[in-house]
Amino acid sequence: DSGVTQTPKHLITATGQRVTLRCSPRSGDLSVYWYQQSLDQGLQFLIQYYNGEERAKGNILERFSAQQFPDLHSELNLSSLELGDSALYFCASSVGAAGNQPQHFGDGTRLSIL
Amino acid sequence: AQRVTQPEKLLSVFKGAPVELKCNYSYSGSPELFWYVQYSRQRLQLLLRHISRESIKGFTADLNKGETSFHLKKPFAQEEDSAMYYCVHRGSRLTFGEGTQLTVNP
Repeated sequence: DSGVTQTPKHLITATGQRVTLRCSPRSGDLSVYWYQQSLDQGLQFLIQYYNGEERAKGNILERFSAQQFPDLHSELNLSSLELGDSALYFCASSVGAAGNQPQHFGDGTRLSIL
Repeated sequence: AQRVTQPEKLLSVFKGAPVELKCNYSYSGSPELFWYVQYSRQRLQLLLRHISRESIKGFTADLNKGETSFHLKKPFAQEEDSAMYYCVHRGSRLTFGEGTQLTVNP
């Protein structure tokens, strides 16, 4: 158990909808990272938050947004969903702000768009 | 562009056979590279890192600067090795290769 918790495990919704994915980092970790894993593009870094502030941005669409709350849990918001957004979304956490530290991954949320 | 490349999306071997998962990189200098593994329906886990020169679950990986490679090897594959393997570069952030799905058949 990595200590990183993601909810929900599975989410099925329709195109045009909006969903929120939640991540609780490992105790003591201040950084949270979001990744998208799709069949055709592998694992893509989306965004990193450190202690409530956005730290780094990757290949995140404008339809997607994230935030990290004072209790350090993070939410990834996906809006105007398209079929291509179907993927496994992973959250990871690490102690510090540097994006190259060892990261501990959650089980992921599988998002299916119908 | 600087990147990590895993040329094989799928690799299938029989139990007991040697296995090599290829990884090439285009970063200059002395890159820090890792292998992550994702077993079916489980989270990504760090398998090994090149700086520690360790052997985990029988797997080893050597950084070859001349060939700019960091191939993952195991002399005798086991069925439980079936998983997705990612070669990862540690720069300002972790950059993942496309991944190789390894299937070890009985």
